[in-house]
Amino acid sequence: QKEVEQDPGPLSVPEGAIVSLNCTYSNSAFQYFMWYRQYSRKGPELLMYTYSSGNKEDGRFTAQVDKSSKYISLFIRDSQPSDSATYLCAMSRAGKLIFGQGTELSVKP
Amino acid sequence: EAQVTQNPRYLITVTGKKLTVTCSQNMNHEYMSWYRQDPGLGLRQIYYSMNVEVTDKGDVPEGYKVSRKEKRNFPLILESPSPNQTSLYFCASSLTVGSSYYGYTFGSGTRLTVV
Repeated sequence: QKEVEQDPGPLSVPEGAIVSLNCTYSNSAFQYFMWYRQYSRKGPELLMYTYSSGNKEDGRFTAQVDKSSKYISLFIRDSQPSDSATYLCAMSRAGKLIFGQGTELSVKP
Repeated sequence: EAQVTQNPRYLITVTGKKLTVTCSQNMNHEYMSWYRQDPGLGLRQIYYSMNVEVTDKGDVPEGYKVSRKEKRNFPLILESPSPNQTSLYFCASSLTVGSSYYGYTFGSGTRLTVV
């Protein structure tokens, strides 16, 4: 079993839709939870960074962490074609950053 | 501009010919790491370094070497490349305070093909 599981998609939504991306994990030692966005032929860029359970909002993006269920989510409101990318969840423990497989998102105009 | 710079961006080489991929960061970050990205497998950590002269294996270290002689540089060395090392490679760095990590900055990637 992988430490971090993420549905690879692809996920296709119309412009303006609310997008929900999810990851589950098995190791309680994970302390920090992140979401990265990766455009084609580019390196991942950090979108959201959380430490504790609960919600964190940044513009149209909301990151949610539920440590009791070992489940994290990223919500994108009013999705735009420019949001089309691969979204990777990541979790860190003891110097290691473990990534999910990434979910490919396409937002259609 | 704060960034992680990798070179080269693209590299085609032959089996067994030693190569080095360079990585440099200008943010004074203590932590640096190398990842490879493969379809269906995602990003996997090869090696990481907590600070100068301190390196450790990630999840897929076989066939790779690293060194950290200066804080800003963290080269990845393939002593005898094989076709199964064909992949997209990323270098990343992070500021650390104690055991806390403040997000990773990635380079633009190096696409390596070994024939």
